[in-house]
Formats: sequence, structure tokens, C-alpha cells
Amino acid sequence: LAKTTQPISMDSYEGQEVNITCSHNNIATNDYITWYQQFPSQGPRFIIQGYKTKVTNEVASLFIPADRKSSTLSLPRVSLSDTAVYYCLVGPRGDKIIFGKGTRLHILP
Amino acid sequence: GAVVSQHPSWVICKSGTSVKIECRSLDFQATTMFWYRQFPKQSLMLMATSNEGSKATYEQGVEKDKFLINHASLTLSTLTVTSAHPEDSSFYICSARDGGGYSYEQYFGPGTRLTVT
Repeated sequence: LAKTTQPISMDSYEGQEVNITCSHNNIATNDYITWYQQFPSQGPRFIIQGYKTKVTNEVASLFIPADRKSSTLSLPRVSLSDTAVYYCLVGPRGDKIIFGKGTRLHILP
Repeated sequence: GAVVSQHPSWVICKSGTSVKIECRSLDFQATTMFWYRQFPKQSLMLMATSNEGSKATYEQGVEKDKFLINHASLTLSTLTVTSAHPEDSSFYICSARDGGGYSYEQYFGPGTRLTVT
């Protein structure tokens, strides 16, 4: 499973766009990039998944450059309720998930 | 969307006793379920993978005789913490993989907080 590196923590303000970048230099051809969100004392929640270029859903966008060695999760106009830990995961679809340390995002009023 | 439930949501037990945690997929069949534990301020650690009708596969360092996993049906997996000790106090989370169609989505349960006194 490809190892991922993401910032340990980030602060932002309500209404701002937040971009969290994840590095995965050893990504394999059949690996997908998936992001999960976790609130304290809750299970992780799926945010978005992609393989290449750009993926957008009602919650976020995922940007993946051509070399796929990194990816950026973009959260538009964050609110206080977006304060959570965000995990970037890389691996084949359906495979077991090994969580890294994640990014603690703290949204300030 | 697919829902995974866990029961109980929290449990307190005495040292030396055993505790069973249930993980259910409510609206889909889960051929594979995963069990994680999470300590405060830390990431999730995968404990084991269970497939319906077969023995669980444990990650390195996880005691299979202490953490008994039974995946008896396509909608239920159980984790039993045997002879629990205070160091087993943790947040236990399960996830289930939808075995239908081409979906490989994993859905996580809400977690179970175990406190061993």
C-alpha cells in the first residue's frame, strides 16, 4: 500500500476555501485516492474518491495531477462544522484501508 | 447510503471479563468486514479483516486469541475482547464492504467506546 504524507494540522476561517494536499510518491497503477473525514468519537465518513484529473461532488473536489504523485482535497467555504480529521488513503479499490495520521483541520470563527 | 451499526455504543466492564461488540450492515450484504481500534488523538489501527464464513485475518501484532472475531452472516460480525484489561480501553470501529455489484465502498460504523476498569 502506498504511503501517504499530509500536514499534521491546518487552521482556517469560516467561509474560506481549504485545500489539503497529500503526497503519495509510490502510488501504483491500480491505486485510487480516497479521502475520509472523522469527527471525535465517530467512525470515518467517506468524502470523495478519484483516480485522475478532477472529481467533484456536493461536499468537496479532488484534484489529481497527471503524475498522480499527489492530490489535493478542496473544501469550499468551510464552516465550523468542518472541524475534523481528514485522512488521505491510497490503495486498490476494495482493499483493506490502512490509515495514516491524517490532518487535523481547525476552523476558526 | 449504506448504513453500518455497532452495538453497544459504549460499554464499561471489569478487568478480566469478556466483552462482545456487534457490527451490522443494515441495508446491504457485507462479504468483508474490518475491525479497527483507535486511541485518543491517534489514527485508526486496523486489527483484522473478516470474511463471511471463514476465519479472520489478523494484522501483525494483534492477538487473535484475545480479540475473537466471528463473521457468521453477511450482515453481522462480532468482536469479542476476552479477559479485558485496562490497556484494552479504546474506541473500536468496524467497517463493512458492500459485496454487491461493482461497488467497493467501505462503510464505517459509529464506533464502540470500551472502558475497562
